[in-house]
Amino acid sequence: HLVQSGAEVKKPGASVTVSCQASGFTFVSHGLIWVRQAPGQRLEWMGWLHGANGNTVSSQRFQGRVTITRDASASTGYMELSSLTSEDTAVYFCARLKVVPRPFSTDSFYSMDVWGTGTTVIVSS
Amino acid sequence: EIVLTQSPGTLSLSPGERATLSCRASQSVSSSYLAWYQQKPGQAPRLLIYGASYRASGTPDRFSGSGSGADFTLTISRLEPEDSAVYYCQQFDASLPIFTFGPGTKVDIK
Repeated sequence: HLVQSGAEVKKPGASVTVSCQASGFTFVSHGLIWVRQAPGQRLEWMGWLHGANGNTVSSQRFQGRVTITRDASASTGYMELSSLTSEDTAVYFCARLKVVPRPFSTDSFYSMDVWGTGTTVIVSS
Repeated sequence: EIVLTQSPGTLSLSPGERATLSCRASQSVSSSYLAWYQQKPGQAPRLLIYGASYRASGTPDRFSGSGSGADFTLTISRLEPEDSAVYYCQQFDASLPIFTFGPGTKVDIK
């Protein structure tokens, strides 16, 4: 399971941190992905944290505003989004990255197999 | 960066009918990195298909995925009322490495 922190209301220009606590699996054995969904819009990938080495990659669309971290001892991942605008109003999801070796191949399957509960972030003055 | 397009935007069908959803990539993608998700209103997405054609745990066998290269398809063989949802394809570009979602196809069950 992935349980996320509660809803947030922020003013423009502020930052928000969303947490994602894992249970039922070995947290550091899996990557953690962050996705958001503005009202009535598509899913948007924000970034991810590699399970084994903790390295992160973020979508260039956020121009350095996204910071993804984790506390392995607490089995919790974090996503901080800074310089908020009204366009950041959305539901934010974390998801577990599932990597499965492909049979008879050196390749692996990549997908998001467990999703968090979602966190609503509203940016309003 | 690879762009995914999905068609049609909305599909309105009756229970028992067959639904065919298309996902097209702007360039060839590895089928290992192509997945499909179902999202119902107010819920988190749910993984249906990974590796383009492998059903995830709990996915009913009326759902099947196919395709390769830049063209992929999700087929729902016999629609059930609970299949009413938005379906997203998603790909992973291992060279960057980043993930991308398509815009989604909404399936309405009449």
